[in-house]
Amino acid sequence: SYVLTQPPSVSVAPGKTARITCGGDNIGSKTVHWYQQKPGQAPVLVIYYDRDRPSGIPERFSGFKSVDTATLTITRVEAGDEADYYCQVWHSSSDHYVFGTGTKVTVL
Amino acid sequence: EVQLVETGGGLIQPGGSLRLSCAASDFSVSANYMTWVRQAPGRGLEWVSLISTGVKTYYADSVKGRFSISRDNSKNTLFLQMNSLRVEDTAIYYCAGSAGYSNSSPLNYWGPGTLLTVSS
Repeated sequence: SYVLTQPPSVSVAPGKTARITCGGDNIGSKTVHWYQQKPGQAPVLVIYYDRDRPSGIPERFSGFKSVDTATLTITRVEAGDEADYYCQVWHSSSDHYVFGTGTKVTVL
Repeated sequence: EVQLVETGGGLIQPGGSLRLSCAASDFSVSANYMTWVRQAPGRGLEWVSLISTGVKTYYADSVKGRFSISRDNSKNTLFLQMNSLRVEDTAIYYCAGSAGYSNSSPLNYWGPGTLLTVSS
């Protein structure tokens, strides 16, 4: 089965930059979406189609994808950015959605 | 404003059956791809099932043959019929809708979720 690997945790000081990676076999050929989930809440789409931002999502959130890694970057981190973040792709070989393992962002 | 609201969760014994519903407002379940995602306590997100705008349905290996996704266009409601439930099916079940028109579209809208507990 297809696996998307994320670091379990990322810690960042307020005002600094957080980078969350998402690695998967040949991920460069897939479309990647990112979701933010705060405790007790449903996930929220923060980046879609690798790098696009839905309306209402701050410009501080950005996405980038290389051949083997997708990255979600949060600049000027705020306390309100503390949450779990998941990447997601459609794996056409298996006809399955796949979510990443998830990354907990802690704001120090 | 788009709203998705799941209902039907609860406590059920292993081997039992249950149907979850997801009522949509300002969003057509027939004109958009709809998905069920679950999250076991303290765990990450797990995709469960997808229904296209046509008749195609897709299932995670862990639920294939036991779960069935469907929709009632007249009620603008999505369903997940769950049979032969197992303890490991215990999770919050989220309904999500894609504003795009392909399997690779993002999950733009999410409901608040409904909790299913499978336990004897």
